[in-house]
Amino acid sequence: DAGITQSPRHKVTETGTPVTLRCHQTENHRYMYWYRQDPGHGLRLIHYSYGVKDTDKGEVSDGYSVSRSKTEDFLLTLESATSSQTSVYFCAISGLAGKFLSYEQYFGPGTRLTVT
Amino acid sequence: AQTVTQSQPEMSVQEAETVTLSCTYDTSESNYYLFWYKQPPSRQMILVIRQEAYKQQNATENRFSVNFQKAAKSFSLKISDSQLGDTAMYFCAFMKHGQKDDKIIFGKGTRLHILP
Repeated sequence: DAGITQSPRHKVTETGTPVTLRCHQTENHRYMYWYRQDPGHGLRLIHYSYGVKDTDKGEVSDGYSVSRSKTEDFLLTLESATSSQTSVYFCAISGLAGKFLSYEQYFGPGTRLTVT
Repeated sequence: AQTVTQSQPEMSVQEAETVTLSCTYDTSESNYYLFWYKQPPSRQMILVIRQEAYKQQNATENRFSVNFQKAAKSFSLKISDSQLGDTAMYFCAFMKHGQKDDKIIFGKGTRLHILP
């Protein structure tokens, strides 16, 4: 199994409060991703990182920010949580195999976030 | 933009039967990868099988095999001798290759129930 952990695994927070989710990897993979999963929508990409301090937006980035100050950690922040951000959040990684980019992604266990 | 469509929201089959999950995708790319991921009730996303678009031979992994029809842009998953542990949500996914922003696009999933 790929060494990916997410913290916290569950969180309940109130509308308007800031929330930070952490993804930690021990694989030294270059690429990291944040997804949200909602019924009827599958997985949707929020933000991703292709290196330390290099990040870009996904399809549902509004209301979220990310940071990656070191290879192993990728943080997702909800500056002011809203009820529409109640979801399950997954982190994923992918990386190099030889000189080629390893094309499959490995997922963390997920974080269930409830905004009341 | 690439899209992935899974036309069967939910399916049920008896244990030991064979079941096929459908997936179609739309892309103008020629170099890409296709995946099937499994998400059991534990919520962990597990890679089941992968297919490189340049390979004509269909991928197989034990009881799991795919029928890849590149011209038709179809990528179905066949599960033989189905087991109770195959009960899960299955996601078809597409990834173009060769760019720094390689991202996976997921379908909305098919919920598969294996009945005893």
